[in-house]
Amino acid sequence: DAKTTQPTSMDCAEGRAANLPCNHSTISGNEYVYWYRQIHSQGPQYIIHGLKNNETNEMASLIITEDRKSSTLILPHATLRDTAVYYCIVRPYNNAGNMLTFGGGTRLMVKP
Amino acid sequence: EPEVTQTPSHQVTQMGQEVILRCVPISNHLYFYWYRQILGQKVEFLVSFYNNEISEKSEIFDDQFSVERPDGSNFTLKIRSTKLEDSAMYFCASSFRGANTGELFFGEGSRLTVL
Repeated sequence: DAKTTQPTSMDCAEGRAANLPCNHSTISGNEYVYWYRQIHSQGPQYIIHGLKNNETNEMASLIITEDRKSSTLILPHATLRDTAVYYCIVRPYNNAGNMLTFGGGTRLMVKP
Repeated sequence: EPEVTQTPSHQVTQMGQEVILRCVPISNHLYFYWYRQILGQKVEFLVSFYNNEISEKSEIFDDQFSVERPDGSNFTLKIRSTKLEDSAMYFCASSFRGANTGELFFGEGSRLTVL
């Protein structure tokens, strides 16, 4: 798997945008970028994924650089309930390996 | 909203005992997974299951572990003879398509404590 590097922790003020970076400099052409989060030992929750275009859904936006070596997950208006560990994962788009490899993630603390 | 449900939420067992953790995946999903998370550590992949057979497993998933889909709804993880180091949160997940083409939906987990 292509490895990812994320900051260990980040703080964000409630109501402000949370921008979570991820470096994946060894990503290959057929690998997608996935983001999941885990709120206080609950099951991980899928957020968003993308290949090379920016993506947006009801939870977040994903900005992938043109060279695809890094990406940023954006929570536009963070709330206290967004406090969680956020995982950036890269996986190839094929059926051979259908597992997700979780790293240490970024612990986001949203503060009032 | 459909969800993955797991039982029990917490199980305490003696070392050497057999444990079965149960999961009800989302009804139209085809791929099923077990992950575990030892307290304070990363979420680790154990096994994936598709079309009534294991499609991939990690080194953790040794002969002490087995999975089964005994009927059309349940997906179980059995640990034959539990060890202290099996103490962890076990998460079941399912997806309509494989993990690389769709998202995984995780359950809330079953906490296993081995004494």
